[in-house]
Amino acid sequence: DGGITQSPKYLFRKEGQNVTLSCEQNLNHDAMYWYRQDPGQGLRLIYYSQIVNDFQKGDIAEGYSVSREKKESFPLTVTSAQKNPTAFYLCASSVRGSTDTQYFGPGTRLTVL
Amino acid sequence: AQKVTQAQTEISVVEKEDVTLDCVYETRDTTYYLFWYKQPPSGELVFLIRRNSFDEQNEISGRYSWNFQKSTSSFNFTITASQVVDSAVYFCALRLYNDMRFGAGTRLTVKP
Repeated sequence: DGGITQSPKYLFRKEGQNVTLSCEQNLNHDAMYWYRQDPGQGLRLIYYSQIVNDFQKGDIAEGYSVSREKKESFPLTVTSAQKNPTAFYLCASSVRGSTDTQYFGPGTRLTVL
Repeated sequence: AQKVTQAQTEISVVEKEDVTLDCVYETRDTTYYLFWYKQPPSGELVFLIRRNSFDEQNEISGRYSWNFQKSTSSFNFTITASQVVDSAVYFCALRLYNDMRFGAGTRLTVKP
């Protein structure tokens, strides 16, 4: 089955720790995205990547980092510099960047203790 | 600046009622794309429809229909004969090239 997987589903972190969220897709999509969702709000773009070894900051990139070493994988690291990291994180991919439809993974809920 | 407004924060209906979710967008571009996604309690966003700015034809898919009106910058979504399984948060989104803007979402509750 083709799709996007995110792991883990739930993640707990102590303050001051970095944590990495996994996102993998087997759809052969070129573009991948990370969004953050807070309660009662829409999604906000953290980072996106249109090709391997290249990525751009979104609206709220501060305190986050990404890498794109493989086409299938786009991990997100939430660093200790992120002031309020507790949120629901969604990964998405599209055939290409630009205006193609984005398809989403199941999400990771991060809670900072 | 691009913006999407979903003024209805929550809607509650009884099963079999029709319900319309409103979406108003702002952009100065003439080429753009509009989307609707469904987010069930599991959390994953499910793609429902994509519409480009040059295609104002309304679309119907089963119990779902969409009304796109450029004159009022609206892209409304109607569910006919709602069912309990329709209960979810619905997001409208506007995309220009690499910029995707989501509305705040409308939480729909369908009661049996």
